[in-house]
Amino acid sequence: GQQLNQSPQSMFIQEGEDVSMNCTSSSIFNTWLWYKQEPGEGPVLLIALYKAGELTSNGRLTAQFGITRKDSFLNISASIPSDVGIYFCAGQFRDDKIIFGKGTRLHILP
Amino acid sequence: EAGVVQSPRYKIIEKKQPVAFWCNPISGHNTLYWYRQNLGQGPELLIRYENEEAVDDSQLPKDRFSAERLKGVDSTLKIQPAELGDSAVYLCASSLTGWPAARDTEAFFGQGTRLTVV
Repeated sequence: GQQLNQSPQSMFIQEGEDVSMNCTSSSIFNTWLWYKQEPGEGPVLLIALYKAGELTSNGRLTAQFGITRKDSFLNISASIPSDVGIYFCAGQFRDDKIIFGKGTRLHILP
Repeated sequence: EAGVVQSPRYKIIEKKQPVAFWCNPISGHNTLYWYRQNLGQGPELLIRYENEEAVDDSQLPKDRFSAERLKGVDSTLKIQPAELGDSAVYLCASSLTGWPAARDTEAFFGQGTRLTVV
């Protein structure tokens, strides 16, 4: 079936470090989406990517839509404590169907 | 502008009882999604509506789950009867329809309803 492979599953980093996570799939997507979810809340959209090769930034976050349309990465620079949470990638097909990765759990060590 | 509104936030029921969740999407969004999120997992699609039409319900367990979006705006997801394995967070999301491919079609989520079946 259709699935997204998101890695790493979890990360333990020091405050101030950069973070990188990615998603791959055998499916081709029209749009890549990156969400962040905190405990007890729904996913919140961070970045949307619409075009193969597109590189988009949102503050300290940068994401890219892979050239093959089958992968994407998200980078967070100079991490801060409020970056803690679960980050999900999601691929959106042309017919609007959206599927999610299993998430990357980001932990920041004091 | 109000986001996606879901109610209730929490629900605890005994197994075999019915339960219903309500969702009001962002105004003007004609696509509505219901997802189920198990602990430690990503959201999994249950059903997707374009206006009042269910265009993808292949993952909805139809023996006990039902959904409706009668006027193409708010939606209700029902489980009857609930089983222990239905304990999860039920998320509603909405978006503008993107076909043919267009920008601004990303989905926005509500806070979810956390269901506990005991």
